Amino acid sequence: NAGVTQTPKFQVLKTGQSMTLQCAQDMNHEYMSWYRQDPGMGLRLIHYSVGAGITDQGEVPNGYNVSRSTTEDFPLRLLSAAPSQTSVYFCASSYLGAGTGELFFGEGSRLTVL
Amino acid sequence: GQQVMQIPQYQHVQEGEDFTTYCNSSTTLSNIQWYKQRPGGHPVFLIQLVKSGEVKKQKRLTFQFGEAKKNSSLHITATQTTDVGTYFCAGQKAAGNKLTFGGGTRVLVKP
Repeated sequence: NAGVTQTPKFQVLKTGQSMTLQCAQDMNHEYMSWYRQDPGMGLRLIHYSVGAGITDQGEVPNGYNVSRSTTEDFPLRLLSAAPSQTSVYFCASSYLGAGTGELFFGEGSRLTVL
Repeated sequence: GQQVMQIPQYQHVQEGEDFTTYCNSSTTLSNIQWYKQRPGGHPVFLIQLVKSGEVKKQKRLTFQFGEAKKNSSLHITATQTTDVGTYFCAGQKAAGNKLTFGGGTRVLVKP
């Protein structure tokens, strides 16, 4: 099983550029989410989705857009990159039962904005 | 909004010693999860606690959920070099599906 696949693994952007981080999972998970992790910091939730066509904001949604057109894919779009968005981005998915179950994380995407 | 705090932020442990990391939520949780992230890696699920006062063990790791379901702890006995990494707790409120992570405890082991 591939699990959760994120691309690209590394990306360098200039301020103002836009890009999309891709996330795909092959476990038929209803729940998908994006976190960012800054050096020495915890994980902060950007956006999440509980199923195709349903998305909601997390703790730090500004500057990011998401969509969930299929169960498998949950891309994260940076509309106009800023140096403050330099971070490691993790996509994670889970089954939904009584709540959110075990999160399966991708390998991460390291983004640098110059 | 919901806040999850972890202490200590850093833990330097002599190999063979025990230590505990604590997780506190500003709100009552429906469940709490623990993850471990090795340096340069991604978080990996360790365990989920659901019941008030629940205690679960995994080899040298003991996880506890508080009676009020607002705090949790992870106790590691006889620390080994393989325990190096950052341990995160993540809490979920009763209404909703968001998992809010604490800041993590970074564990360094001195051989």
